[in-house]
Amino acid sequence: AQKITQTQPGMFVQEKEAVTLDCTYDTSDQSYGLFWYKQPSSGEMIFLIYQGSYDEQNATEGRYSLNFQKARKSANLVISASQLGDSAMYFCAMRGSGSARQLTFGSGTQLTVLP
Amino acid sequence: GAVVSQHPSRVICKSGTSVKIECRSLDFQATTMFWYRQFPKQSLMLMATSNEGSKATYEQGVEKDKFLINHASLTLSTLTVTSAHPEDSSFYICSARAGNSNQPQHFGDGTRLSIL
Repeated sequence: AQKITQTQPGMFVQEKEAVTLDCTYDTSDQSYGLFWYKQPSSGEMIFLIYQGSYDEQNATEGRYSLNFQKARKSANLVISASQLGDSAMYFCAMRGSGSARQLTFGSGTQLTVLP
Repeated sequence: GAVVSQHPSRVICKSGTSVKIECRSLDFQATTMFWYRQFPKQSLMLMATSNEGSKATYEQGVEKDKFLINHASLTLSTLTVTSAHPEDSSFYICSARAGNSNQPQHFGDGTRLSIL
C-alpha cells in the first residue's frame, strides 16, 4: 500500500520570500513517480512538477523545485519568490502501484501569500 | 496540448435527479480515465478507473450502481450520479491518460454538484 503525508494543513509566507511545503511518502515500489499539483479556489488541478524515483537530479520548473530525498522518502516542494497568485491548495501525489498506476494524493497544504 | 474538458462545471438539482458528467480528452486518446471526488478542504479521493471499452474498476466503498461510469470511446467518459441525494453533493474531477501507465494524468476543471 502507498501513503502520502502532508503534515502542514496551512502555511503562510510573505510575498517575494521562499516557502517549503512538506511531503513524505511510503511505498514498497522501487520505481515510482512523485507529483505536485496546485489547486486554486476555482478547483482546477494544475500540474507543477514531477520527480521520478530514479532521477538523480532534483526537478526544477521555473520558481518550483522539488527537494527529493529518497532515503528519507521525502519530496518537498520549494516555491521561490512567492507571488500573491501562488495562494492555493497544494497537493503532493504519487503514481500508484496498482495495475492502473493511478495517482494517490496527500491531504494538501493551503498556502496563503501575504502582501 | 493534453487538454481535458469536463462538463458541466456546475450543477444544481433536486434530490432524486440523475446527473451526468462528461469528460473529454480534446487532443489525445485517453486509454484510461479516472474519476475523483473531493469534499471541501479535503483531498481528491479516487472513485473509479476506467479503460476504454471495459467495465470500470471501482474503489472500495464506492457504489457502482450509484455512480455509473461509461468509457465508450477513447475521448469520452461519463459519470452518472443516479438518484442523487444531498450527501452526493461534492466536487467531481475527471482525469485522463494516454497510452501506458508511464504517461502523465491530465485533469479536467471539475464539476461542482449541489443536490437540494
